[in-house]
Amino acid sequence: TQLLEQSPQFLSIQEGENLTVYCNSSSVFSSLQWYRQEPGEGPVLLVTVVTGGEVKKLKRLTFQFGDARKDSSLHITAAQPGDTGLYLCAGASTGAGSYQLTFGKGTKLSVIP
Amino acid sequence: NAGVMQNPRHLVRRRGQEARLRCSPMKGHSHVYWYRQLPEEGLKFMVYLQKENIIDESGMPKERFSAEFPKEGPSILRIQQVVRGDSAAYFCASSPLFSDDTNGYTFGSGTRLTVV
Repeated sequence: TQLLEQSPQFLSIQEGENLTVYCNSSSVFSSLQWYRQEPGEGPVLLVTVVTGGEVKKLKRLTFQFGDARKDSSLHITAAQPGDTGLYLCAGASTGAGSYQLTFGKGTKLSVIP
Repeated sequence: NAGVMQNPRHLVRRRGQEARLRCSPMKGHSHVYWYRQLPEEGLKFMVYLQKENIIDESGMPKERFSAEFPKEGPSILRIQQVVRGDSAAYFCASSPLFSDDTNGYTFGSGTRLTVV
């Protein structure tokens, strides 16, 4: 059974601060996706990383896929209140079942104005 | 271009009743995936369907749960004789391609089922 551990579980920071959240596993994934989920809504895709060592930037968000494709990180620069939400990582398994995503439990981020 | 549409948004059922959750994929998407999110838990894969075919139902409980995606109309997740443990948020996602993990998935807003 593949597991994805996200840390920290909760994070409360002041507006303007930087932060990093982590997504770790002992399993190799063919790709890893990051989603953000607002209360009462479904997950919204932020980015997909596919290649080991890949770095993708989305405005103030930087995503990195580990060289071994077992872990990933999300770094937010100068956080804003609009960044508040639940951040989920999800790994797609290698092989024929790659449609089946394994989700972490998420990091709940609160950015205080 | 409407996204993935799920209805109802909220559903309350008494123990023993049936729950029917509907999902209309994005236009042009013929692959549908159902996930369940229990309180304080991550989303768990339930089933993957294409039109008129169940491709993988390995995440579905063996009893009381069934899913379909007919040629016409939305995909339906059906839960018979609901119990309190079925209370959760059920999400549907769709994609235009088989195993589109490199592009990510579009999720609906979910159906929140409460069993009383």
